[in-house]
Amino acid sequence: QFHLVQSGADVKKPGASVKVSCQASGYTFTGYYIHWVRQAPGQGLEWMGWIDPNSGATNHAQKFQDRVTMTRDTSIATASMEVRSLSSDDTAVYYCARGGPPFDSSGYHGLDVWGQGTTVTVSS
Amino acid sequence: SSELTQDPAVSVALGQRVTITCQGDSLKNYYATWYQQKPGQAPVLVIHGNNNRPSGIPDRFSGSRSRNTASLTITGAQAEDEADYYCSSRDNSGNLFGGGTKLTVL
Repeated sequence: QFHLVQSGADVKKPGASVKVSCQASGYTFTGYYIHWVRQAPGQGLEWMGWIDPNSGATNHAQKFQDRVTMTRDTSIATASMEVRSLSSDDTAVYYCARGGPPFDSSGYHGLDVWGQGTTVTVSS
Repeated sequence: SSELTQDPAVSVALGQRVTITCQGDSLKNYYATWYQQKPGQAPVLVIHGNNNRPSGIPDRFSGSRSRNTASLTITGAQAEDEADYYCSSRDNSGNLFGGGTKLTVL
Protein backbone atom coordinates (compact mmCIF):
# COMPACT_ATOMS: atom_id res chain seq x y z
CA GLN A 1 0.00 0.00 0.00
CA PHE A 2 0.96 3.65 0.03
CA HIS A 3 3.34 4.90 2.68
CA LEU A 4 5.16 8.06 3.69
CA VAL A 5 7.95 7.58 6.22
CA GLN A 6 9.44 10.63 7.88
CA SER A 7 12.75 11.28 9.57
CA GLY A 8 13.08 11.13 13.33
CA ALA A 9 12.51 13.71 16.04
CA ASP A 10 14.93 16.58 16.37
CA VAL A 11 15.88 19.20 18.95
CA LYS A 12 17.27 22.52 17.80
CA LYS A 13 18.40 25.76 19.40
CA PRO A 14 16.77 29.07 18.48
CA GLY A 15 18.19 30.47 15.27
CA ALA A 16 19.16 27.08 13.91
CA SER A 17 17.69 25.22 10.93
CA VAL A 18 16.00 21.84 10.71
CA LYS A 19 15.45 19.54 7.74
CA VAL A 20 12.68 16.94 7.74
CA SER A 21 12.54 14.22 5.12
CA CYS A 22 9.63 12.15 3.82
CA GLN A 23 10.16 8.97 1.79
CA ALA A 24 7.32 7.68 -0.34
CA SER A 25 6.63 4.09 -1.30
CA GLY A 26 3.91 2.08 -2.99
CA TYR A 27 2.95 4.65 -5.62
CA THR A 28 4.47 6.81 -8.35
CA PHE A 29 6.24 9.53 -6.37
CA THR A 30 6.19 12.02 -9.24
CA GLY A 31 2.47 11.68 -9.81
CA TYR A 32 1.18 13.45 -6.70
CA TYR A 33 2.01 16.62 -4.82
CA ILE A 34 3.57 16.37 -1.37
CA HIS A 35 2.17 18.80 1.20
CA TRP A 36 3.69 19.85 4.50
CA VAL A 37 1.47 20.51 7.51
CA ARG A 38 2.47 21.30 11.08
CA GLN A 39 0.74 21.13 14.43
CA ALA A 40 1.98 23.01 17.47
CA PRO A 41 1.31 21.40 20.88
CA GLY A 42 -2.41 21.52 21.66
CA GLN A 43 -3.15 23.45 18.48
CA GLY A 44 -4.77 22.79 15.11
CA LEU A 45 -3.34 21.88 11.74
CA GLU A 46 -1.44 24.53 9.79
CA TRP A 47 -0.73 24.15 6.08
CA MET A 48 2.82 25.13 5.13
CA GLY A 49 3.10 24.42 1.43
CA TRP A 50 3.41 21.83 -1.30
CA ILE A 51 5.96 20.58 -3.80
CA ASP A 52 5.35 18.97 -7.18
CA PRO A 53 7.83 16.08 -7.11
CA ASN A 54 7.77 15.91 -10.90
CA SER A 55 8.78 19.49 -11.71
CA GLY A 56 10.12 20.63 -8.35
CA ALA A 57 7.71 23.57 -8.36
CA THR A 58 6.65 24.74 -4.92
CA ASN A 59 3.95 26.84 -3.30
CA HIS A 60 4.34 28.14 0.23
CA ALA A 61 1.90 29.67 2.68
CA GLN A 62 2.76 33.36 2.85
CA LYS A 63 4.01 33.26 6.44
CA PHE A 64 6.66 30.69 5.49
CA GLN A 65 7.83 32.25 2.20
CA ASP A 66 11.16 33.45 3.56
CA ARG A 67 12.08 30.64 5.96
CA VAL A 68 11.04 27.40 4.31
CA THR A 69 12.58 25.51 1.40
CA MET A 70 10.98 22.40 -0.05
CA THR A 71 12.98 20.04 -2.23
CA ARG A 72 12.72 16.54 -3.63
CA ASP A 73 15.01 13.77 -4.82
CA THR A 74 13.15 11.61 -7.31
CA SER A 75 15.93 8.97 -7.34
CA ILE A 76 15.01 8.00 -3.77
CA ALA A 77 11.35 9.12 -3.81
CA THR A 78 11.99 11.56 -0.99
CA ALA A 79 10.70 15.05 -0.29
CA SER A 80 12.37 17.30 2.24
CA MET A 81 11.56 20.55 3.97
CA GLU A 82 14.04 22.87 5.64
CA VAL A 83 12.92 25.52 8.11
CA ARG A 84 15.44 28.24 8.96
CA SER A 85 15.78 30.76 11.77
CA LEU A 86 13.86 28.59 14.22
CA SER A 87 12.14 30.03 17.26
CA SER A 88 10.14 28.42 20.05
CA ASP A 89 7.03 29.09 17.98
CA ASP A 90 8.26 26.48 15.51
CA THR A 91 8.05 23.71 18.10
CA ALA A 92 5.55 21.36 16.50
CA VAL A 93 4.88 18.02 14.87
CA TYR A 94 5.60 18.32 11.16
CA TYR A 95 3.71 16.08 8.76
CA CYS A 96 4.12 15.35 5.09
CA ALA A 97 1.04 14.20 3.21
CA ARG A 98 0.23 13.08 -0.31
CA GLY A 99 -1.99 15.48 -2.20
CA GLY A 100 -3.65 15.24 -5.55
CA PRO A 101 -2.16 15.04 -9.02
CA PRO A 102 -1.10 18.32 -10.67
CA PHE A 103 -4.38 18.69 -12.58
CA ASP A 104 -6.41 18.65 -9.34
CA SER A 105 -6.59 22.42 -9.09
CA SER A 106 -9.89 22.36 -7.17
CA GLY A 107 -8.65 20.21 -4.33
CA TYR A 108 -10.90 17.23 -5.01
CA HIS A 109 -8.35 14.62 -3.95
CA GLY A 110 -7.53 15.79 -0.43
CA LEU A 111 -4.50 14.62 1.53
CA ASP A 112 -5.01 10.88 1.52
CA VAL A 113 -1.71 9.48 2.82
CA TRP A 114 0.13 10.99 5.80
CA GLY A 115 3.53 10.43 7.27
CA GLN A 116 3.84 9.50 10.92
CA GLY A 117 4.94 13.02 11.87
CA THR A 118 8.27 14.42 13.00
CA THR A 119 8.50 16.23 16.32
CA VAL A 120 10.73 19.28 16.19
CA THR A 121 11.52 20.94 19.51
CA VAL A 122 13.17 24.36 19.58
CA SER A 123 14.72 25.08 22.93
CA SER A 124 17.76 26.82 24.29
CA SER B 1 -6.73 36.07 3.55
CA SER B 2 -9.33 33.28 3.50
CA GLU B 3 -10.24 31.29 6.57
CA LEU B 4 -12.44 28.36 7.54
CA THR B 5 -14.52 28.55 10.71
CA GLN B 6 -15.58 25.57 12.83
CA ASP B 7 -17.28 25.25 16.19
CA PRO B 8 -14.59 24.35 18.75
CA ALA B 9 -16.53 21.52 20.37
CA VAL B 10 -19.57 19.34 19.71
CA SER B 11 -21.01 16.41 21.64
CA VAL B 12 -23.27 13.55 20.63
CA ALA B 13 -24.91 10.66 22.44
CA LEU B 14 -23.73 7.19 21.48
CA GLY B 15 -25.64 5.97 18.44
CA GLN B 16 -27.09 9.36 17.57
CA ARG B 17 -26.47 11.64 14.60
CA VAL B 18 -24.18 14.64 14.69
CA THR B 19 -23.26 17.28 12.13
CA ILE B 20 -20.06 19.34 12.21
CA THR B 21 -20.03 22.45 10.07
CA CYS B 22 -17.36 24.56 8.40
CA GLN B 23 -17.83 28.01 6.89
CA GLY B 24 -15.63 29.96 4.56
CA ASP B 25 -15.62 31.80 1.25
CA SER B 26 -13.14 29.36 -0.28
CA LEU B 27 -15.82 26.66 -0.13
CA LYS B 28 -17.80 28.47 -2.82
CA ASN B 29 -15.10 27.66 -5.37
CA TYR B 30 -13.15 24.69 -4.01
CA TYR B 31 -13.97 21.23 -2.70
CA ALA B 32 -14.26 20.55 1.02
CA THR B 33 -12.26 17.80 2.66
CA TRP B 34 -12.51 16.47 6.21
CA TYR B 35 -9.90 14.87 8.45
CA GLN B 36 -10.23 12.93 11.67
CA GLN B 37 -7.40 13.11 14.18
CA LYS B 38 -7.13 11.08 17.36
CA PRO B 39 -4.65 11.98 20.12
CA GLY B 40 -1.06 11.22 19.21
CA GLN B 41 -1.94 10.14 15.67
CA ALA B 42 -1.65 11.62 12.21
CA PRO B 43 -4.83 12.93 10.61
CA VAL B 44 -6.93 10.58 8.49
CA LEU B 45 -8.88 11.67 5.43
CA VAL B 46 -12.57 10.82 5.95
CA ILE B 47 -14.27 12.89 3.22
CA HIS B 48 -12.88 14.40 0.02
CA GLY B 49 -14.49 16.22 -2.88
CA ASN B 50 -17.30 17.45 -0.59
CA ASN B 51 -19.04 14.10 -0.19
CA ASN B 52 -16.74 11.19 -1.14
CA ARG B 53 -15.53 8.59 1.34
CA PRO B 54 -12.11 7.01 0.80
CA SER B 55 -12.05 3.24 0.94
CA GLY B 56 -12.02 1.98 4.49
CA ILE B 57 -14.02 4.86 5.94
CA PRO B 58 -17.31 3.64 7.45
CA ASP B 59 -20.46 4.67 5.62
CA ARG B 60 -21.79 6.39 8.75
CA PHE B 61 -19.55 9.30 7.67
CA SER B 62 -21.02 11.57 5.00
CA GLY B 63 -20.33 15.06 3.70
CA SER B 64 -22.15 17.85 1.94
CA ARG B 65 -21.60 21.43 0.82
CA SER B 66 -23.94 24.30 0.19
CA ARG B 67 -22.58 27.68 -0.92
CA ASN B 68 -19.95 28.63 1.68
CA THR B 69 -20.78 25.89 4.22
CA ALA B 70 -19.52 22.33 4.32
CA SER B 71 -20.89 19.71 6.70
CA LEU B 72 -19.65 16.40 8.03
CA THR B 73 -22.37 14.11 9.39
CA ILE B 74 -21.87 10.99 11.45
CA THR B 75 -25.04 8.89 11.53
CA GLY B 76 -24.95 6.54 14.48
CA ALA B 77 -21.87 7.86 16.28
CA GLN B 78 -19.60 5.26 17.85
CA ALA B 79 -17.23 5.62 20.77
CA GLU B 80 -14.28 5.35 18.39
CA ASP B 81 -15.48 8.45 16.53
CA GLU B 82 -14.44 10.65 19.44
CA ALA B 83 -11.69 12.77 17.90
CA ASP B 84 -10.80 16.17 16.48
CA TYR B 85 -12.23 16.90 13.05
CA TYR B 86 -10.73 19.42 10.65
CA CYS B 87 -12.22 20.79 7.48
CA SER B 88 -9.95 21.95 4.68
CA SER B 89 -10.09 23.40 1.20
CA ARG B 90 -7.91 25.00 -1.40
CA ASP B 91 -7.97 28.74 -1.79
CA ASN B 92 -6.44 31.11 -4.30
CA SER B 93 -2.99 30.84 -2.78
CA GLY B 94 -2.77 27.36 -1.36
CA ASN B 95 -4.61 25.28 1.23
CA LEU B 96 -6.55 26.10 4.39
CA PHE B 97 -7.53 24.21 7.50
CA GLY B 98 -10.34 25.09 9.84
CA GLY B 99 -9.56 25.44 13.51
CA GLY B 100 -10.92 21.99 14.29
CA THR B 101 -13.93 20.62 16.18
CA LYS B 102 -13.49 18.35 19.18
CA LEU B 103 -16.20 15.69 19.06
CA THR B 104 -17.17 14.04 22.32
CA VAL B 105 -19.29 10.89 22.24
CA LEU B 106 -21.34 10.65 25.43
